[in-house]
Amino acid sequence: SQQGEEDPQALSIQEGENATMNCSYKTSINNLQWYRQNSGRGLVHLILIRSNEREKHSGRLRVTLDTSKKSSSLLITASRAADTASYFCATDNQAGTALIFGKGTTLSVSS
Amino acid sequence: GAVVSQHPSRVICKSGTSVKIECRSLDFQATTMFWYRQFPKQSLMLMATSNEGSKATYEQGVEKDKFLINHASLTLSTLTVTSAHPEDSSFYICSAKGTLLRNTEAFFGQGTRLTVV
Repeated sequence: SQQGEEDPQALSIQEGENATMNCSYKTSINNLQWYRQNSGRGLVHLILIRSNEREKHSGRLRVTLDTSKKSSSLLITASRAADTASYFCATDNQAGTALIFGKGTTLSVSS
Repeated sequence: GAVVSQHPSRVICKSGTSVKIECRSLDFQATTMFWYRQFPKQSLMLMATSNEGSKATYEQGVEKDKFLINHASLTLSTLTVTSAHPEDSSFYICSAKGTLLRNTEAFFGQGTRLTVV
């Protein structure tokens, strides 16, 4: 089963612009993670934000978490063509043993 | 980060045959491994969770007799798609967690593209 939804499903921007992706989830969480997937490849862990955190930064990435709205956003600043990929949010399943992924946002950055 | 190696990256097989996919943790002991399936332009769907030395736990709707999972050692899990059919064509991804790693971070293999003809 899937935990949540990302929006938009697809996003096309120019290099240098910022990209914002949103994720909503359904159940209470201990943490939320964002992953990146290049076409036809595995996933790369980007950032984890815990339920008691509201915002976290890592390089050009900024993640926010609003547990009252059960939503998170991923902001990529000063995007590059190499940022072109699909981005997924993920939370633990009910047993806390595995990750459940959202539907993902496909980001396309053109130069 | 920790490295998970998945093999093969691509495989084409005939309908009715079986295919084995390997997932190895190269620099850590993976007490738990996960198998996901991903259809084109869709998200990852958890198929099963396997713990070393015990039977895998399958998600609802996943046929355990069709998707055989073996996690016989702390560095290797295998997924065997038995009697494969064209509808089994998909992208299969494994991930692994280890006791020495942070509890919440899982590392992913590069995926296996299975095409059944």
